[in-house]
Amino acid sequence: AQSVTQPDIHITVSEGASLELRCNYSYGATPYLFWYVQSPGQGLQLLLKYFSGDTLVQGIKGFEAEFKRSQSSFNLRKPSVHWSDAAEYFCAVGALEYGNKLVFGAGTILRVKS
Amino acid sequence: DVKVTQSSRYLVKRTGEKVFLECVQDMDHENMFWYRQDPGLGLRLIYFSYDVKMKEKGDIPEGYSVSREKKERFSLILESASTNQTSMYLCAIAKGRAEAFFGQGTRLTVV
Repeated sequence: AQSVTQPDIHITVSEGASLELRCNYSYGATPYLFWYVQSPGQGLQLLLKYFSGDTLVQGIKGFEAEFKRSQSSFNLRKPSVHWSDAAEYFCAVGALEYGNKLVFGAGTILRVKS
Repeated sequence: DVKVTQSSRYLVKRTGEKVFLECVQDMDHENMFWYRQDPGLGLRLIYFSYDVKMKEKGDIPEGYSVSREKKERFSLILESASTNQTSMYLCAIAKGRAEAFFGQGTRLTVV
């Protein structure tokens, strides 16, 4: 069965510092992956997505993620965090052979300190 | 713009009531999903549908059922509401492997 693990429930970084949010998935075939962000009281916004090809994908707001098949990971990174990045981040995985069932991780809450 | 409309933003129901949550899309996407979102648990998939009258159980289907009689509408039914079903319910749509688009959510409180 599909599963997505985000090992860090909370992360706190200083403004201007780099950020990496971890995402591991469990899957039998080549998945497609997403990162979404949710600000307090807001809906989910897509940051980036990976289907195939180049394993380093660029997204909005300066975010990028790298797909590593050998580690079953799709970690989200940003070189310099801004206070407005404080939000909850969700990794999601889908697969054609499961009828495009889309499963989300439990989320990571990012706090940014000034 | 993609439009995913959930029938209610806030809903308060009594224990034991049958509850219907409606989701309507205007994009002709074949995949529709119902999730519930709880703090610390993320989005958990209840049911999804990849075509009219087709449905698949997600990770937490117990206590819920769904109906998809028309492509644009996907209903979530709580057969007999219980307090542990108090949650934020999110409907989403997707086309193939493309990203999902979400409704605004329904915050359901069962008292």
